[in-house]
Amino acid sequence: AQSVTQLDSHVSVSEGTPVLLRCNYSSSYSPSLFWYVQHPNKGLQLLLKYTSAATLVKGINGFEAEFKKSETSFHLTKPSAHMSDAAEYFCVVSDRSGATNKLIFGTGTLLAVQP
Amino acid sequence: DSGVTQTPKHLITATGQRVTLRCSPRSGDLSVYWYQQSLDQGLQFLIQYYNGEERAKGNILERFSAQQFPDLHSELNLSSLELGDSALYFCASSVEWTATDTQYFGPGTRLTVL
Repeated sequence: AQSVTQLDSHVSVSEGTPVLLRCNYSSSYSPSLFWYVQHPNKGLQLLLKYTSAATLVKGINGFEAEFKKSETSFHLTKPSAHMSDAAEYFCVVSDRSGATNKLIFGTGTLLAVQP
Repeated sequence: DSGVTQTPKHLITATGQRVTLRCSPRSGDLSVYWYQQSLDQGLQFLIQYYNGEERAKGNILERFSAQQFPDLHSELNLSSLELGDSALYFCASSVEWTATDTQYFGPGTRLTVL
């Protein structure tokens, strides 16, 4: 079975400082991993995805994530936080155990950006 | 804008009632998914359709049902509503159903059961 664990429920950073949101995965297969962002009262937007190509994945708005098989991690980073980055971030794995690609979501990390 | 549309945006109803949530996928997408987001359960997969056929079921209650029509839009029917059904319901779509396919999410329907 596939699963993801987001290690922090809340992260607070100052504007202009780096962002690190941590995610560990568990998968019997080579995983497809995603990061989605949800701004307040909005839908889910894809930030980036890993599908077994390059291990360093670049996404939108300056975010990137590195797939580390040895550590079973897929942490999300950004060099410099903006106020507009304040949102909830979900680490997600695609289920490969059957004839489906349903998404399995982590519990989310709420990112606060202080001025 | 993801290209996935959902109606209505908000729905307020009473316990015991029945409601229908509608989703139109992105043009060209054959797969439609429904997810529920609640405070206690987080984001959970409910059901998936591919080109009109049910593909997979998740934690969907027997009181809930869905279908995908020939024009590929989908409806999620929730009946005998309970207070605990209050949640944000998302629809997503993708071209196919492989693990690498990106799922694009609609803005959601917020259901409040009073």
